[in-house]
Amino acid sequence: AQTVTQSQPEMSVQEAETVTLSCTYDTSESDYYLFWYKQPPSRQMILVIRQEAYKQQNATENRFSVNFQKAAKSFSLKISDSQLGDAAMYFCAYRSAVAGANSKLTFGKGITLSVRP
Amino acid sequence: NAGVTQTPKFRVLKTGQSMTLLCAQDMNHEYMYWYRQDPGMGLRLIHYSVGEGTTAKGEVPDGYNVSRLKKQNFLLGLESAAPSQTSVYFCASRTHLMNTEAFFGQGTRLTVV
Repeated sequence: AQTVTQSQPEMSVQEAETVTLSCTYDTSESDYYLFWYKQPPSRQMILVIRQEAYKQQNATENRFSVNFQKAAKSFSLKISDSQLGDAAMYFCAYRSAVAGANSKLTFGKGITLSVRP
Repeated sequence: NAGVTQTPKFRVLKTGQSMTLLCAQDMNHEYMYWYRQDPGMGLRLIHYSVGEGTTAKGEVPDGYNVSRLKKQNFLLGLESAAPSQTSVYFCASRTHLMNTEAFFGQGTRLTVV
């Protein structure tokens, strides 16, 4: 079974600075998807960024980018120019691309990010 | 476009009571999921469905039942609520296509006393 590990329960960043959130995963599969979700105090789960394992290029969405290291099974999220609205819980998630098993998202335990003004 | 809607948003139950959480999606998605979120545990999959009339167990299915009689609805039932089922419950849905994201409801906070 796949597992997702977020070892840092909390992090803090100064407004306008850059922060990196870590995530590692364990799988024997070669094709899969990785996600970062944001959960603000409103509780809504919001997709931040997605990475396909077969793509070597790291995904980027505006101020958010990932460092995907397939061999190391590492998938970190970098937030540049941090804003107060970035304060939230962030979840790393894995989904297999194998037919028949591709339907389930497996989440890490999450990390709470606070942004200091 | 409502997306994924969960009913109710909050509920307090007494131990032993039963209830049903309703998830409705208007995106014609094939796959639907129920997760629970507990502090320090992330989101854990309870049950899921890959199509109308089909359901399957997830990681933590004990104490819950589900039904998918209509494609747009996925019901989560607690037959005899226990304090250990105090949690925030999330429903999600997505298409069967490989490269698609899951859309989440706004969550239901359930307290069992």
